[in-house]
Amino acid sequence: DAGVIQSPRHEVTEMGQEVTLRCKPISGHDYLFWYRQTMMRGLELLIYFNNNVPIDDSGMPEDRFSAKMPNASFSTLKIQPSEPRDSAVYFCASSLLGRGYEQYFGPGTRLTVT
Amino acid sequence: AQSVAQPEDQVNVAEGNPLTVKCTYSVSGNPYLFWYVQYPNRGLQFLLKYITGDNLVKGSYGFEAEFNKSQTSFHLKKPSALVSDSALYFCAVRDEGNTPLVFGKGTRLSVIA
Repeated sequence: DAGVIQSPRHEVTEMGQEVTLRCKPISGHDYLFWYRQTMMRGLELLIYFNNNVPIDDSGMPEDRFSAKMPNASFSTLKIQPSEPRDSAVYFCASSLLGRGYEQYFGPGTRLTVT
Repeated sequence: AQSVAQPEDQVNVAEGNPLTVKCTYSVSGNPYLFWYVQYPNRGLQFLLKYITGDNLVKGSYGFEAEFNKSQTSFHLKKPSALVSDSALYFCAVRDEGNTPLVFGKGTRLSVIA
């Protein structure tokens, strides 16, 4: 299995631009999570999906952030408009349903907003 | 609500010495506990988990962790540290519901040759 796939790996953009991050979960997994990691705030859960349905988006920082999961094999996290304080590493993770199952993380997208 | 505390931001250990990275948790009901490792510019990698059964759990790369219910702890251990073990380590907990893992702030382990 290829694991969780994220693209792009690095993104540099100017303030005000739209940014779209992409994630392909492990095949057969029914939970998908988006996290943000910064030095100041550590690892933050932004939103998670179960069977393509958003379950909890209380971690999404502002209305500028949105996430979709149109099918079981693809999810996007969009920031519009982007701001310098959005600079972080964004991780996608997936898991199977069940308490005993671990989450598998992708390699992350390093976002820099100038 | 569940929570995890990793009381040490940084742990330094000499190569060949045993290492311990501490984790305590708070959860209602039975805990499901996990350890992850993050190497520079990489995602988090699963190391081991405690679900039920034996309190001593063995995982990848020679790591193990001991579940202690009375002390609500789940410390990560390795008998002999390697320089290549230097990384950021995260403890995580989940309660009995199908909720996402709650992660600690991480402990940076530095193994010195």
